[in-house]
Amino acid sequence: DAGVTQSPTHLIKTRGQQVTLRCSPISGHKSVSWYQQVLGQGPQFIFQYYEKEERGRGNFPDRFSARQFPNYSSELNVNALLLGDSALYLCASSWTGTIYSTGELFFGEGSRLTVL
Amino acid sequence: AQSVTQPDIHITVSEGASLELRCNYSYGATPYLFWYVQSPGQGLQLLLKYFSGDTLVQGIKGFEAEFKRSQSSFNLRKPSVHWSDAAEYFCAGTGGGNKLTFGTGTQLKVEL
Repeated sequence: DAGVTQSPTHLIKTRGQQVTLRCSPISGHKSVSWYQQVLGQGPQFIFQYYEKEERGRGNFPDRFSARQFPNYSSELNVNALLLGDSALYLCASSWTGTIYSTGELFFGEGSRLTVL
Repeated sequence: AQSVTQPDIHITVSEGASLELRCNYSYGATPYLFWYVQSPGQGLQLLLKYFSGDTLVQGIKGFEAEFKRSQSSFNLRKPSVHWSDAAEYFCAGTGGGNKLTFGTGTQLKVEL
């Protein structure tokens, strides 16, 4: 079975541009979460979606937005890119919206964004 | 505020030696705790988790962790480290939702 897949794997943007990152969850998983991992730090929670509804938002500016589609795939959009947005963006999926019922988040390998 | 702290940024051990990576948590109630491993350029792989019950939990690759409420700790251990264990290790916690709070990570180097 395919795991969580993310695209693109690497991309380079310049300041002020916009970027869209994509995530396909494991088949049957209905929840997708997004995390930002800046070099040398642990991942930080950005968003969670479950059944196409936003279930949680981390402490990120409004430049960050996301959505989940009827097939449960998800997109993360970042507008007006800043140098500080350079990071590995990780997507994680699970069966439901609460970890105590699913036991685990399954992570993709991430999309590495470099902002110049 | 809920938090997870990993006091050690870097740890170096010799192959075959034992390993203990420290993790401290701050949660109002008993949290759900995890250890993940990340190899360079890779995503996160779950090593083990603690939800409730037996405070000593076994994971993959020969790792184990012990939940100690009195010390607010969830330290990861391995009796004999292999060179392939070199990676970054993250402790994470949650109150029950899918929002994980991660520590800053411990980079493990294994000397041959």
